[in-house]
Amino acid sequence: KAGVTQTPRYLIKTRGQQVTLSCSPISGHRSVSWYQQTPGQGLQFLFEYFSETQRNKGNFPGRFSGRQFSNSRSEMNVSTLELGDSALYLCASSLGQAEPLHFGNGTRLTVT
Amino acid sequence: GQQLNQSPQSMFIQEGEDVSMNCTSSSIFNTWLWYKQDPGEGPVLLIALYKAGELTSNGRLTAQFGITRKDSFLNISASIPSDVGIYFCAGPNTGNQFYFGTGTSLTVIP
Repeated sequence: KAGVTQTPRYLIKTRGQQVTLSCSPISGHRSVSWYQQTPGQGLQFLFEYFSETQRNKGNFPGRFSGRQFSNSRSEMNVSTLELGDSALYLCASSLGQAEPLHFGNGTRLTVT
Repeated sequence: GQQLNQSPQSMFIQEGEDVSMNCTSSSIFNTWLWYKQDPGEGPVLLIALYKAGELTSNGRLTAQFGITRKDSFLNISASIPSDVGIYFCAGPNTGNQFYFGTGTSLTVIP
């Protein structure tokens, strides 16, 4: 079974731009979550989608948004990029509530 | 938000030695997960624990779900160079948001 796939692996953007990250979950997994990982803050929850609906949202500004499609694939968008948005963005899928997360290899976003 | 405290923060050990690390929470969890992350990759699930007092093994790894449900422990026996990486504990709230520990960085000296 294929794992969680995230594209692109690396991205360099300038301040003020926007970016879209993509995630394909493990086949059969309907829950997709996004996490931001930085050296200072560790792994921080962004949001979770289940059956195309955002079920939970972390404590991030409205510039961070996402969506999930009917095939469970998910995208995450960050608008008006700031230098502090530089991080590894990880997508994880799971079978459902409180089930173990299975992570992709992430998208490394650098904002200059 | 919820804080998971992991200790130690880093470990430097000789190949063949055993390793112990732990994770504590200010709240009760009904599930504890342990992950390993290698540089440039996403965290990989090692062990999942679902019941207080549960002891589960995965090869040379053994994890325990603390009886108070506020802590968990991970042991690695007879460490080898490929055990190098950062180990994270994690637990979910009722809303399926997972909280992650601060990580334990393991270095194995051949």
